[in-house]
Amino acid sequence: QVQLVESGGGVVQPGKSLRLSCAASGFTFSGYAMHWVRQTPDKGLEWVALIWFDGSNEHYADSVKGRFTISRDNSKNMVYLQMNSLRVEDTAVYYCARDPYSSAWRFADYWGQGTLVTVSS
Amino acid sequence: DIQMTQSPSSVSASVGDRVTITCRASQGISRWLAWYQHKVGEAPKLLIYGASTLESGVPSRFSGNGSGTDFTLTISSLQPEDFATYYCQQANNFPITFGPGTRLEIK
Repeated sequence: QVQLVESGGGVVQPGKSLRLSCAASGFTFSGYAMHWVRQTPDKGLEWVALIWFDGSNEHYADSVKGRFTISRDNSKNMVYLQMNSLRVEDTAVYYCARDPYSSAWRFADYWGQGTLVTVSS
Repeated sequence: DIQMTQSPSSVSASVGDRVTITCRASQGISRWLAWYQHKVGEAPKLLIYGASTLESGVPSRFSGNGSGTDFTLTISSLQPEDFATYYCQQANNFPITFGPGTRLEIK
């Protein structure tokens, strides 16, 4: 069965960096685009980034563009989110999710359990 | 960016009730709309995509309708496990955007 397991969350000071990881299993990882989506209590779900099946294309929310970078390693069945210049408003639970298509149908059919990122001084 | 709104923001209902949630896009998105169910502490779950296509394994009491800017999610007969928050999401173009959510509570 499809499994997505996020890791790397924690408490970090504003302006610092953090890298999230997502380990995928139970499907042919290299055939699917992958998303990162976050959730805050007040703003609900917010899409963050997407990467195509082969890493050739990336898309970002305006709120993270230039600060966050999504990447993947198909040899390890992993997707990453490098988060730089973190802000208090980046505090959220971050979910890794699978797109049903290689070049993105732009929705997610499987989600991980999430990892909490807290940005605080 | 396409803005998504949902109504109501919360609703109280009883087991067996029929509930309809409305989602509106700020511009036409054809049928590029998905619905998710989210329970606290769990992973979000895809219910419907393409505005009306039921994801595999989702009970048939869930249904979706609409196109263009106006969409609905209907639960025909509420079950105890349906009490959760529901989100719509436009998949027409980037950036992908979600509605603010509708919290479905037990009356």
